[in-house]
Amino acid sequence: KQEVTQIPAALSVPEGENLVLNCSFTDSAIYNLQWFRQDPGKGLTSLLLIQSSQREQTSGRLNASLDKSSGRSTLYIAASQPGDSATYLCAVLSGTYKYIFGTGTRLKVLA
Amino acid sequence: DVKVTQSSRYLVKRTGEKVFLECVQDMDHENMFWYRQDPGLGLRLIYFSYDVKMKEKGDIPEGYSVSREKKERFSLILESASTNQTSMYLCASSAGLAAYNEQFFGPGTRLTVL
Repeated sequence: KQEVTQIPAALSVPEGENLVLNCSFTDSAIYNLQWFRQDPGKGLTSLLLIQSSQREQTSGRLNASLDKSSGRSTLYIAASQPGDSATYLCAVLSGTYKYIFGTGTRLKVLA
Repeated sequence: DVKVTQSSRYLVKRTGEKVFLECVQDMDHENMFWYRQDPGLGLRLIYFSYDVKMKEKGDIPEGYSVSREKKERFSLILESASTNQTSMYLCASSAGLAAYNEQFFGPGTRLTVL
């Protein structure tokens, strides 16, 4: 049974710092992995989608990598800003339509 | 931009009431999903639909049903609401083959059952 873990559960960093969020999964047979951002009380905003055949994806200050063999993905945020404060979730597509979500990392960027 | 809308942001219902949560997407997506999100448990899939009138159970379908009569609309129904169904409900959609396409989420409905 696929399990997705995100460590740490919470993280505080000063503004301007580069940071890495981690996502690990137990079954390497995935179709894709998606990173999301969630602001308090709101829905999820898609950040990056990495197909199973890809190693990384980039969008602006965000870079996500995928290593299927080790069951790991990282989300790198460059030059963090207070507006980046949110909960970051990763999700793996294990079945044809079935996403398994991690419980997220709550990020706070201090001004 | 893809837009997924949900009929209510906040909803308060009484135990035993029948509750309808509506979700509409405007990008002609084939796939639609209903999740619930609870602290410490993350998002869990209730039902999904990959075509009009087609539906599949997710991980926690008990106490819920769904309806998809039109491609753009996916409804979640709580037949007889109970207090343990108090949660944040999130609708999502994606195009075609899920393996190649992002999921897009609505703003969520926070349901409280008293």
